[in-house]
Amino acid sequence: AQKITQTQPGMFVQEKEAVTLDCTYDTSDPSYGLFWYKQPSSGEMIFLIYQGSYDQQNATEGRYSLNFQKARKSANLVISASQLGDSAMYFCAMREGVQHTGNQFYFGTGTSLTVIP
Amino acid sequence: DSGVTQTPKHLITATGQRVTLRCSPRSGDLSVYWYQQSLDQGLQFLIQYYNGEERAKGNILERFSAQQFPDLHSELNLSSLELGDSALYFCASSTPSGGTDTQYFGPGTRLTVL
Repeated sequence: AQKITQTQPGMFVQEKEAVTLDCTYDTSDPSYGLFWYKQPSSGEMIFLIYQGSYDQQNATEGRYSLNFQKARKSANLVISASQLGDSAMYFCAMREGVQHTGNQFYFGTGTSLTVIP
Repeated sequence: DSGVTQTPKHLITATGQRVTLRCSPRSGDLSVYWYQQSLDQGLQFLIQYYNGEERAKGNILERFSAQQFPDLHSELNLSSLELGDSALYFCASSTPSGGTDTQYFGPGTRLTVL
């Protein structure tokens, strides 16, 4: 089974609208971390947001928020007020196990987001 | 700019050859991770080093090896190169001091094997 599943290969959103990028994960470890990264066409990987498995609150970073539904094993990224510069590939990732103990990291296949003016 | 540097940016070589990719982590980061990003395999975790010691191993081929030096820079060695090794190789680093183990990625080295 895939550890990280991103079911939306491509998404379109109107500028200034909000968009949700889906991510589901699979682990039996009670300790894990979830990450979202952005990869623009230039190729670099940019960290956006982190959610720990024991975090009670959904993570937020500026226009990014993570809709963490533990029972459903989903960690959807919500981008509010989309901007043209948000057009990029978005990757969901998971670290399995307690952090800093020598962990496996898994990335999803990504969602290509296009923001339409 | 993440603070992680990788050299070279581009590398073109032939099948059967050996190459070395270099990574310098962010100042203060002790962990270095290597990833391979290819069109068919996506982003694959290869290996992690922490303060000079191998900490975790992912989908790293036996033809590939890595090490982290006392100054914390790391090198990924790829040998007996095949066409399928053509990919973008990322290095990332993180710090163990509190907080999360968020990885900050370098700009990558694009390897083309002809």
